[in-house]
Amino acid sequence: DPKIIQKPKYLVAVTGSEKILICEQYLGHNAMYWYRQSAKKPLEFMFSYSYQKLMDNQTASSRFQPQSSKKNHLDLQITALKPDDSATYFCASSQDGGTGYAEQFFGPGTRLTVL
Amino acid sequence: QQQVRQSPQSLTVWEGETAILNCSYEDSTFDYFPWYHQFPGESPALLIAIRPVSNKKEDGRFTIFFNKREKKFSLHIADSQPGDSATYFCAASAAGANTGKLTFGHGTILRVHP
Repeated sequence: DPKIIQKPKYLVAVTGSEKILICEQYLGHNAMYWYRQSAKKPLEFMFSYSYQKLMDNQTASSRFQPQSSKKNHLDLQITALKPDDSATYFCASSQDGGTGYAEQFFGPGTRLTVL
Repeated sequence: QQQVRQSPQSLTVWEGETAILNCSYEDSTFDYFPWYHQFPGESPALLIAIRPVSNKKEDGRFTIFFNKREKKFSLHIADSQPGDSATYFCAASAAGANTGKLTFGHGTILRVHP
């Protein structure tokens, strides 16, 4: 059974629309993350949450908003979509032992295409 | 700006050879250095990681060599196999900050020819 679930696997959106990317993890971890990967940029950190609390935000735009309704959920809402937002979005999680050295496990990703 | 530089962009070796992938960093607060690999169509997965308390970490055919003074670290893959063909990313984090942020290099595409 998959331990980190991301929905949908593929997503096509039109410019200016809004989408929500879903992430659920069943590893019992209490830290979750979002990364973005595109042809132009390597894996790029976006957000980190620990115990549903925002720890770090490296996105320059407020169009990207993480939403954590439960400890094992961290969704990503993206508004006013632009073609430049096209990328694969990976959710990750780790057991936050307070040391910051915990292995991060990546989900299968959501591939977003904005037309 | 925190950066992690990785080289080469691509590397081709023959089966049985040692592949060497290199990374360097600038930020002195970085104290955790993992290597991830990613197969086509899949997500990144942790391969091996090192902390600066040591300058070498081995796990089977995979070894990280770390040079704190020069701010460089490398991944050596001994006895390379065709199944090792993938994209390899080095990364770094200031683990003490405990935000979990990993800064990744641009990746090295490794091809191992049988």
